[in-house]
Amino acid sequence: EAQVTQNPRYLITVTGKKLTVTCSQNMNHEYMSWYRQDPGLGLRQIYYSMNVEVTDKGDVPEGYKVSRKEKRNFPLILESPSPNQTSLYFCASSLFGQGSGYTFGSGTRLTVV
Amino acid sequence: TQLLEQSPQFLSIQEGENLTVYCNSSSVFSSLQWYRQEPGEGPVLLVTVVTGGEVKKLKRLTFQFGDARKDSSLHITAAQPGDTGLYLCANAGNMLTFGGGTRLMVKP
Repeated sequence: EAQVTQNPRYLITVTGKKLTVTCSQNMNHEYMSWYRQDPGLGLRQIYYSMNVEVTDKGDVPEGYKVSRKEKRNFPLILESPSPNQTSLYFCASSLFGQGSGYTFGSGTRLTVV
Repeated sequence: TQLLEQSPQFLSIQEGENLTVYCNSSSVFSSLQWYRQEPGEGPVLLVTVVTGGEVKKLKRLTFQFGDARKDSSLHITAAQPGDTGLYLCANAGNMLTFGGGTRLMVKP
């Protein structure tokens, strides 16, 4: 089944403790991206990647890192999480980005205390 | 920066009613996509429209793209409880930029 898999689904952590949210797709898509969704602010893009070793900032990249060493994986790294990064995170992939449809993962609900 | 405004923000209707939701952009869309998101899940793509004036139908859903490619509407005929969800429009350029969404509730 074609899908984007995120892990974990739920995570509670403490301020400053580094964490990684994994994202993997099995559709051989070129384009992958990360979003956060917050009440009243909607879905906002954090980072995107147009291909292996090519990443770029979205609208809200501060406090996040990404890497794209393999086509299928696009992990989101929070080096020193803070409470304002408490949010619902989504990974998505797309065949070639502009104009092509996006497949989203089921989300990761992160709470930083 | 492109701004996407969706209206209404909230809509609560009875099963069987028709409804229309709107998406307006401050600038021309690269291509416009509509998604539906259910609680606890990621958005799911409904349709992509590219050409001004384009109309696409997906069962009871009709999508219209404005001639100037700056606005779109989604019309649902005879809404059902399964249509409940958050409807999002998005500009699919180099980045995917979303509107704030219309939260629809269809009561049995």
